Amino acid sequence: DIQMTQSPSSLSASVGDRVTITCRASQSISSYLNWYQQKPGKAPKLLIYAASSLQSGVPSRFSGSGSGTDFTLTISSLQPEDFATYYCQQSYSTPPAFGQGTKLEIK
Amino acid sequence: EVQLVESGGGLVQPGGSLRLSCAASGFTFSSYSMNWVRQAPGKGLEWVSYISSSSSTIYYADSVKGRFTISRDNAKNSLYLQMNSLRAEDTAVYYCARAAGDIYSYFDYWGQGTLVTVSS
Repeated sequence: DIQMTQSPSSLSASVGDRVTITCRASQSISSYLNWYQQKPGKAPKLLIYAASSLQSGVPSRFSGSGSGTDFTLTISSLQPEDFATYYCQQSYSTPPAFGQGTKLEIK
Repeated sequence: EVQLVESGGGLVQPGGSLRLSCAASGFTFSSYSMNWVRQAPGKGLEWVSYISSSSSTIYYADSVKGRFTISRDNAKNSLYLQMNSLRAEDTAVYYCARAAGDIYSYFDYWGQGTLVTVSS
């Protein structure tokens, strides 16, 4: 099974900051990497699919990059509504696997 | 508007059974593969099971294989998860999630989740 590792596990940042979250796969997954945002008590929401494609309705301050084993999610200018937990997920092989999550908190 | 609404969660004793349902609306249910994903309290996301649009292809996580059964009724726009021999470690919020494509795809819409608590 493919393992997904995110870093950092938690992050403190301020409104307006540029933030980058990293996700690493235990083997190459091409561009089969997706990013989700989850707020407390809510369902996850798809942000980015296929490593760099922005889901419809998601603000353009969110972007994704990478291929193979190393991927990043970047938020160009943090907004108050962006403080949440972010998960990466590989869809290259079964079982689909998520990273452990990165909790983004207000500094 | 795509909507997925889970139901059927609750408190069950270890070794017991529970059947979850997910009612879909706002899209052609019979054209999409579906998944169950769970989240233990305070923990991350764990994929549980996948079913293709025609039910011809089904996958399970090793942690539930042999105990859980996924199914769907396209006439009723509904997805199900029959959970047997429940264990404390099955305690979680269970989400149904639509797959944008086949098993090698992302989850583009999620329900609000239903809580399953396994405890004596």
